[in-house]
Amino acid sequence: DAGVIQSPRHEVTEMGQEVTLRCKPISGHDYLFWYRQTMMRGLELLIYFNNNVPIDDSGMPEDRFSAKMPNASFSTLKIQPSEPRDSAVYFCASSPIPSGANTGELFFGEGSRLTVL
Amino acid sequence: AQKITQTQPGMFVQEKEAVTLDCTYDTSDPSYGLFWYKQPSSGEMIFLIYQGSYDQQNATEGRYSLNFQKARKSANLVISASQLGDSAMYFCAMREETSYDKVIFGPGTSLSVIP
Repeated sequence: DAGVIQSPRHEVTEMGQEVTLRCKPISGHDYLFWYRQTMMRGLELLIYFNNNVPIDDSGMPEDRFSAKMPNASFSTLKIQPSEPRDSAVYFCASSPIPSGANTGELFFGEGSRLTVL
Repeated sequence: AQKITQTQPGMFVQEKEAVTLDCTYDTSDPSYGLFWYKQPSSGEMIFLIYQGSYDQQNATEGRYSLNFQKARKSANLVISASQLGDSAMYFCAMREETSYDKVIFGPGTSLSVIP
């Protein structure tokens, strides 16, 4: 398997612009997680899905952030409008259901580094 | 409330020595899993080791072992025979079954291996 695929790897945009980050999870994984990483706040869980359904979005900072998972192989995280404080690395991770010998470890993508000027 | 605590922001260890990275957690869920991840300066997140709450024995994976003390709610990572390539950020994470498998991370510990 190719692993979790995120795009773009790097994005530089200006304040006020819309940003869309994309994620393709590992085939067969039931869970998809979006995290944001900054020096100040560490790895924050933004939202996660189980079988394409959002389970917990309490980590989404505000209404400017939205996430969708229209099917099992694709998810997006959108920021509209973007602000400089949104600058961070955004990670997508997927996992199978924890069961028996399956630990439910998270498999991470390489991250999308967002810079908002 | 922060559920995972890693009290050592930065650690140094001499090459070939062993080092312990601390992790304490807070949960009332009887079924949970604990994970350790490594993040080198290149940025990728690398899974190292897993411990289930019902596991009787401490987990081991090569040079990594997990010192699991359930009553104290601690899951310390032990790296034996440190190598220069072990220099990285290390994150402890917890997955709670009754929280619909939510996975949260601690603040991390930066480890530097000195030649």
